[in-house]
Amino acid sequence: QKEVEQDPGPLSVPEGAIVSLNCTYSNSAFQYFMWYRQYSRKGPELLMYTYSSGNKEDGRFTAQVDKSSKYISLFIRDSQPSDSATYLCAMSPSGGYNKLIFGAGTRLAVHP
Amino acid sequence: GAVVSQHPSRVICKSGTSVKIECRSLDFQATTMFWYRQFPKQSLMLMATSNEGSKATYEQGVEKDKFLINHASLTLSTLTVTSAHPEDSSFYICSAPETGALDVDIFGSGTQLSVL
Repeated sequence: QKEVEQDPGPLSVPEGAIVSLNCTYSNSAFQYFMWYRQYSRKGPELLMYTYSSGNKEDGRFTAQVDKSSKYISLFIRDSQPSDSATYLCAMSPSGGYNKLIFGAGTRLAVHP
Repeated sequence: GAVVSQHPSRVICKSGTSVKIECRSLDFQATTMFWYRQFPKQSLMLMATSNEGSKATYEQGVEKDKFLINHASLTLSTLTVTSAHPEDSSFYICSAPETGALDVDIFGSGTQLSVL
C-alpha cells in the first residue's frame, strides 16, 4: 500500500463546475499538507498549504484536511480552462527539511 | 518572493556525454535541496537529497556514481548525469525548503533531458 493514494484521473469537467480532488494517506505522523499544481513540462507550483486539520480558503480554492479519516481534499470553484493541469497532493510529518511524500497526481481538464 | 531558478530548461545530448543541471535559490538560503525525476504522466520520484558542505543522500535504487550531486554553496546545487543513455531521458526537478515565513518546498521549473 502506498503512503499516499491519489486517483490519477483524468478528470474532465465543464467550465464553471466545482472540482473536488482528494488524497488519502496511511501515515498518522503527517502534519503538513500541500497541494501543488503542475502544468505540462513545468515545475510544481504551490497552491495551498495546511497544517494539521481544518479548512483553508484562498480565492476559488479551498483545502480541507480530516486527520481522523486521513483524508485531504482540494475544491476548485468556478473552474476555468486555465485550471487544466495536474494537481499533486503532498505531505510530510513536519515542515522544513523533511522529504515530501507525493500522491500520483490527478490530471484535470476543464473544457469551455 | 522565494524562487528556485533551474537551468537549463531543456537539453538534448548524445549518448555517453555528461549533462549538468543547476538549481539556485534566490532570496533565501538552501542548506538542503531535493532532486526529483518525473516520467510522463507520473508523479515526482525523489532521487536524492543534497546538503550544503556534505555528501548527498541517495534514495534506494538511484546510482550515485551516475547522478553526481554537488551542493557547493548555500544557494547552488548541481546534478550531473554522467555517461547519459536514452533511458536517462526524463524531466528532472529540484526543490528547496524555504524555512522562513513560508516553511514550504519551492520547486524549480524543471529540466527536460533527452538523450539520443
